[in-house]
Amino acid sequence: ETGVTQTPRHLVMGMTNKKSLKCEQHLGHNAMYWYKQSAKKPLELMFVYSLEERVENNSVPSRFSPECPNSSHLFLHLHTLQPEDSALYLCASRKSGTGGAYEKLFFGSGTQLSVL
Amino acid sequence: GQSLEQPSEVTAVEGAIVQINCTYQTSGFYGLSWYQQHDGGAPTFLSYNALDGLEETGRFSSFLSRSDSYGYLLLQELQMKDSASYFCAVGDNYGQNFVFGPGTRLSVLP
Repeated sequence: ETGVTQTPRHLVMGMTNKKSLKCEQHLGHNAMYWYKQSAKKPLELMFVYSLEERVENNSVPSRFSPECPNSSHLFLHLHTLQPEDSALYLCASRKSGTGGAYEKLFFGSGTQLSVL
Repeated sequence: GQSLEQPSEVTAVEGAIVQINCTYQTSGFYGLSWYQQHDGGAPTFLSYNALDGLEETGRFSSFLSRSDSYGYLLLQELQMKDSASYFCAVGDNYGQNFVFGPGTRLSVLP
């Protein structure tokens, strides 16, 4: 148990559906991340929120829309996805700062998304 | 641009020592981290190097040479449970972002 919880664990959706992924952390962290992990590809950074402000949007298509209502919760809203968006979506959090104690990401177990 | 390179696969036997290398080219550098991910699991943090040299944490050690843009993870006294994927990651953008390498799949044989 990493202290970062993602729901749902598995999601199957059609290309016309709208769904949301949820991430919750109980670690008192103030930075949260969305990563995409596809087979045989590196983890791709999608979005970063620090103190509830979006600080990074890594050229992600607009069909992915993040939301961070507070420092403990992060959402990824999905609409009109494509089959190539099928992947494991990982949420992570950390405590902002510099130095060894802050350079550690805590990951959730991910949502395995299949787009049909 | 940002890129990290790691070997795709490494195989070793129980009790052996294995070294997983990582080279990086990034626009900014705020330390090199290592993560372990078992199949179906979440990546978990192993170690972090901000300065040159060796960091030791139990059976795992990590090394960094900033002048060579190179680091490695050393796993000693390998156990079957060490079979997993290992990712190096570089801190970027004043340490806010973390760019990951492609991962090295380690198989430990009996």
